[in-house]
Amino acid sequence: DAGITQSPRYKITETGRQVTLMCHQTWSHSYMFWYRQDLGHGLRLIYYSAAADITDKGEVPDGYVVSRSKTENFPLTLESATRSQTSVYFCASSESEGFDGKLFFGSGTQLSVL
Amino acid sequence: GENVEQHPSTLSVQEGDSAVIKCTYSDSASNYFPWYKQELGKGPQLIIDIRSNVGEKKDQRIAVTLNKTAKHFSLHITETQPEDSAVYFCAASKGGGTSYGKLTFGQGTILTVHP
Repeated sequence: DAGITQSPRYKITETGRQVTLMCHQTWSHSYMFWYRQDLGHGLRLIYYSAAADITDKGEVPDGYVVSRSKTENFPLTLESATRSQTSVYFCASSESEGFDGKLFFGSGTQLSVL
Repeated sequence: GENVEQHPSTLSVQEGDSAVIKCTYSDSASNYFPWYKQELGKGPQLIIDIRSNVGEKKDQRIAVTLNKTAKHFSLHITETQPEDSAVYFCAASKGGGTSYGKLTFGQGTILTVHP
């Protein structure tokens, strides 16, 4: 049972480059989320998706793009990376039925923008 | 929007002591309050949650209390063990459906349990 996996685990990029962070889940959960974790801010929601082809903005969406063509994948793209996007990014998913709010998180991607 | 404040930012206890982490929230419409534990190099993991129609919930050594009037909730860990050392996050959300996943997190508490 692979669960929810994120790749890459670590990524270093330069300002202005496009970067895509991958998220894959094997549970067929309908709901998927992207959070970023920064010291002093906890985790903040970037985007979420209720199902394939349904996405919506969270608290801090600027500079990010998401897509959900398949239920199991939810990639996050930084179109033109900035230093302020240096962070740890967590993908999460939750069940579609009897949604009780329990999120299952991936292990995270540590992104550094130089 | 919702704002969640968490205190303390760091907490150091001796093994066997109790630990208490407190959170306050701003939106009286919030009705779901989970607590997540994050170990080093891993993603957060749900350890306990409480809904606004309940004042207290226990699960072995951990408990959560909620005071809706004061808009605060707390995590209590009794008989702490070294493996309880981690970062703990409180969170709040309102509504149903996808709103449950749209959590507003506190800033986190680094708990260290000394053997």
